[in-house]
Amino acid sequence: DTEVTQTPKHLVMGMTNKKSLKCEQHMGHRAMYWYKQKAKKPPELMFVYSYEKLSINESVPSRFSPECPNSSLLNLHLHALQPEDSALYLCASSQTGNSNEQYFGPGTRLTVT
Amino acid sequence: EDKVVQSPLSLVVHEGDTVTLNCSYEVTNFRSLLWYKQEKKAPTFLFMLTSSGIEKKSGRLSSILDKKELFSILNITATQTGDSAVYLCAVSPNAGNNRKLIWGLGTSLAVNP
Repeated sequence: DTEVTQTPKHLVMGMTNKKSLKCEQHMGHRAMYWYKQKAKKPPELMFVYSYEKLSINESVPSRFSPECPNSSLLNLHLHALQPEDSALYLCASSQTGNSNEQYFGPGTRLTVT
Repeated sequence: EDKVVQSPLSLVVHEGDTVTLNCSYEVTNFRSLLWYKQEKKAPTFLFMLTSSGIEKKSGRLSSILDKKELFSILNITATQTGDSAVYLCAVSPNAGNNRKLIWGLGTSLAVNP
C-alpha cells in the first residue's frame, strides 16, 4: 500500500477564516512533507517532519502552521491567508534511511477569496 | 547553487512514437535522482536512480543515470494518450537529515491520437 490520503480535496476560504488540511499515511514512513504547488511550477517545499519533529521550515509565513500529532498524521493549520496563497497543497511521505522516494497524496486545491 | 534543468520544456508527439526526456543537474554531494509523472493531481513516483549505467525499467518506461556527465534520461516507447502528463525530475543531495528535493521545471508531454 503506497497511498497517502489528504482531506479535503477542495477548499475555499475567506481571508479571515481558520481551516486545517489533513494528511495520513499508513506505510510506516517516518518523514512527512508539506508542499505548495502553483500552476505550471514544480512543488515547493514548505515543511518537513522527521520522526514527528519539525526538521525543515522553508521560511514559511506564520499564517501556515504545521502539526504532526503522530507518525501517520500531518496537519496544516491555515489562518488569515492571502489570495496569493491559493494553490495545490501536497502532502508526501518517505522512509527514513537511504531511501528518498517520496510518495505524494492527491493534494488539496485551496482557493482564498 | 544547486539546480536541475529539464529539456525539452514541452513536447507533442503522436501515439506510437518514442520519446526521450532529459534531466541534467548540478548538485553538491549527489545522492539520488527521481522521476515523477504528474497529470492533473499529485506527482506519481516512477523511478529512483542512484548508480550510473544501471537502467531502471517499468513497462514502456525506462530511465538511466550518468553520474559522470551529470544527467539522466527518461524513455517512453510506443507512447499512448495516457502518457500525456508533466514529467518532473528531482535530485536529492546527500546532506545528512535534509530531505529537500531540488526540482526541475518539468517536461510537458502531449501524446496525440
